[in-house]
Amino acid sequence: DAGVIQSPRHEVTEMGQEVTLRCKPISGHDYLFWYRQTMMRGLELLIYFNNNVPIDDSGMPEDRFSAKMPNASFSTLKIQPSEPRDSAVYFCASGTGGTQYFGPGTRLLVL
Amino acid sequence: DAKTTQPPSMDCAEGRAANLPCNHSTISGNEYVYWYRQIHSQGPQYIIHGLKNNETNEMASLIITEDRKSSTLILPHATLRDTAVYYCIVILGAWSRDDKIIFGKGTRLHILP
Repeated sequence: DAGVIQSPRHEVTEMGQEVTLRCKPISGHDYLFWYRQTMMRGLELLIYFNNNVPIDDSGMPEDRFSAKMPNASFSTLKIQPSEPRDSAVYFCASGTGGTQYFGPGTRLLVL
Repeated sequence: DAKTTQPPSMDCAEGRAANLPCNHSTISGNEYVYWYRQIHSQGPQYIIHGLKNNETNEMASLIITEDRKSSTLILPHATLRDTAVYYCIVILGAWSRDDKIIFGKGTRLHILP
């Protein structure tokens, strides 16, 4: 199993641009999570899905952030428009039961 | 606020057992204790979890006190590759809208050669 796959691994963009992060969960997992990690705030849960349905999006910082899961094998996290304070590492994780398996993360830098 | 309290950092000599404590005094009867670790620049990695009984796997052992208010993760023979931030979290066995997953700041474990 390839594990959770995230793309791109690194993204550099300018303020105001749209950013789309992608995630392919582990096959068979019915939960998918998006996290953001910064030095200041640590690892924060943004949103999670169960069977492709968003369950809790209370961690999404503002309306500029949106997440979708059109099918069991793909999810996106979109930031539009991006701002410098969105610079962080974004992790996707998938799981079943209570265990989560994290991807390698996308390192986002917004200039 | 995090449901758990961990020391910010610990040192352990290579080859010795590393014992990482975690306090979770407000844990409810149906909440599990999970441990993850994050090696620099990588995504967090699941280690082990438990409800009441002590648990052991190929990576570590988890000791949960009888009152369930605290636990200890034990790495029996620490190596330099175990240098990481270790997170203790408390969650229900299956996530729900009422289940807040909070990783906190964890314990930064330094394995000394």
